[in-house]
Amino acid sequence: KNQVEQSPQSLIILEGKNCTLQCNYTVSPFSNLRWYKQDTGRGPVSLTIMTFSENTKSNGRYTATLDADTKQSSLHITASQLSDSASYICVVSEGNFNKFYFGSGTKLNVKP
Amino acid sequence: KAGVTQTPRYLIKTRGQQVTLSCSPISGHRSVSWYQQTPGQGLQFLFEYFSETQRNKGNFPGRFSGRQFSNSRSEMNVSTLELGDSALYLCASSLVRDSNTGELFFGEGSRLTVL
Repeated sequence: KNQVEQSPQSLIILEGKNCTLQCNYTVSPFSNLRWYKQDTGRGPVSLTIMTFSENTKSNGRYTATLDADTKQSSLHITASQLSDSASYICVVSEGNFNKFYFGSGTKLNVKP
Repeated sequence: KAGVTQTPRYLIKTRGQQVTLSCSPISGHRSVSWYQQTPGQGLQFLFEYFSETQRNKGNFPGRFSGRQFSNSRSEMNVSTLELGDSALYLCASSLVRDSNTGELFFGEGSRLTVL
């Protein structure tokens, strides 16, 4: 069964600290993995897209890693800011039928 | 360049009614997909349209339907509303529906409350 699981469900960190969010998937065949940031009440915004051959990809203070062998990805946020408070959603694309599988998200709260 | 526009942003309906939501994709984008987002289930894929043809459909009952017009604008309809249909309905557009490289651009969503 194709699934995407994210951990932790929620996370509270202090402003300026780093954090890492995890995504494990069983989607096969794998096409690509995406991380989205969703502010409360808004639509998701793309952070990174990684294909099978990419191990790491950065977007400013956001760095995503992908281990296609273990089917794991992580999103590392450096020097967190209050504006990083949001839900972060991992999305895996299945290669045969162009279907997306969504994780349930990690809700990050950055406190001053 | 304008982003994905969804209307209405908020609406309240009662059980048994029907609702139509609209999505205008980014200019030039021909692919439009719809998603339902609830606190309990997260994001779930509803359906996807490309050049007026439905290419993919998620596991939702037949009460959920959609269509795409020749100008790529899309509508989704939910008939005989149930309390469980209360959700944020998101629309996303893509330049080319290519799962290998295509990026999805989401609208702000239409928040439906069913009383």
